[in-house]
Parts: sequence; C-alpha cells; structure tokens
Amino acid sequence: DAGVIQSPRHEVTEMGQEVTLRCKPISGHNSLFWYRQTMMRGLELLIYFNNNVPIDDSGMPEDRFSAKMPNASFSTLKIQPSEPRDSAVYFCASSLGGLAGEETQYFGPGTRLLVL
Amino acid sequence: KQEVTQIPAALSVPEGENLVLNCSFTDSAIYNLQWFRQDPGKGLTSLLLIQSSQREQTSGRLNASLDKSSGRSTLYIAASQPGDSATYLCAVYSGGGADGLTFGKGTHLIIQP
Repeated sequence: DAGVIQSPRHEVTEMGQEVTLRCKPISGHNSLFWYRQTMMRGLELLIYFNNNVPIDDSGMPEDRFSAKMPNASFSTLKIQPSEPRDSAVYFCASSLGGLAGEETQYFGPGTRLLVL
Repeated sequence: KQEVTQIPAALSVPEGENLVLNCSFTDSAIYNLQWFRQDPGKGLTSLLLIQSSQREQTSGRLNASLDKSSGRSTLYIAASQPGDSATYLCAVYSGGGADGLTFGKGTHLIIQP
C-alpha cells in the first residue's frame, strides 16, 4: 500500500488567495483526520471524518477553513481567504475506524504551506 | 483542559546508551496514550499505543509504560542507534472527539555516532 498520499507537498501563496490541500487515505480505512502543526502550538487536530461524514470539526480555527470528503478515497481542506498566520504543515491521517485517538493513525507526509 | 508536557525538549546521547523519554498529562481520565516518531520533513509514525487498562507495551527495542494515576508515561529506548534520531511525540486520548486528542510538543532526540 502506498500509505496516505497528500498533495501538494509544498505550497506558497499570497495572502487572500484560496488554498486547497488534498488527501487520499489508505484504502479500507474508514476514518480520516486533518491536523495542523506549528512551532508555537504543536500538533492540533482540526477535523475528522468517519465513513465520509464529518464527526467533529471543533478544532477548525475559523470559518475560513472548510473540509470535505466526497468519497472514501479523497478529502480536501480549503482555506479561503488565506492569511500569513495559516502558514504551517498540514497533515492528513487515516485509521481503520473509530473516534479520534481510539486506533492507530497513519500519517501522510504533510503539506508545507507558506502564506506571504 | 488536558495538557501534555514532554521533558526534555531536546536530548543528545552517544550511540549505544539506553535512554528514557518522559511524557506527563494533567487529567488522568484517559482512554489511551500513543507514542509517535516524526522524522524531519515527514509525518508521524505510530510506535506504541497503550490502552488505559495496560501498564506497558513493547516493540523491539522500545518499551512504553503508563502510570495513569500519576499522569505519566515513559518511552524507553534500549541500545540507541543513530537511526533513532527523530522527534518523539506522545498523545493522550480523553474521549469526546477532536478536543479529546492532545499531543505533546515532542522531544527532539539526537543519537551521536
């Protein structure tokens, strides 16, 4: 298995632009997670899906952030409009099932986002 | 609100030494605790997951212990190797969805050849 796939690996954009991050979970996994990692705040869980349905988005920082999972093999995290403080590494992870933290999660390589 | 602390933030030891990484958490009402490894520029790799009813888990040269009542976990690495150099994070799951999963900021470990 190729593992969790994320694209792009790096993204540089200007403030105000829309940013879309993409994730393909491991085949057969029913839960998908989006994280953000910064030096200041560490790793934060933004939102997670179970069977393509958003279960908990309480970690999403504000309305500029949105996430979708139209099918079991694809998810997007969108930031519109982007701001410099959104600069971070965004990780996608998947697990066989269950709620966040119940089972081992497998992480993608991350998307390094820089908003100028 | 759960807080997870990892001390030290960085550690450098010579190859071959046994070492212990520490993780502490403020709320002992947890379901499980996980240890992850993160290599530079890469995602996290799960090393060990300890359920709240367990005291320890072992995988190869790694042994993780959990003392839920005192809010502590340790990751023991035996016979360290340069390939063990990475950042090690612990995460506790307290239930309740996204807010219930809390990560520490990690210990950056360097094993000197």
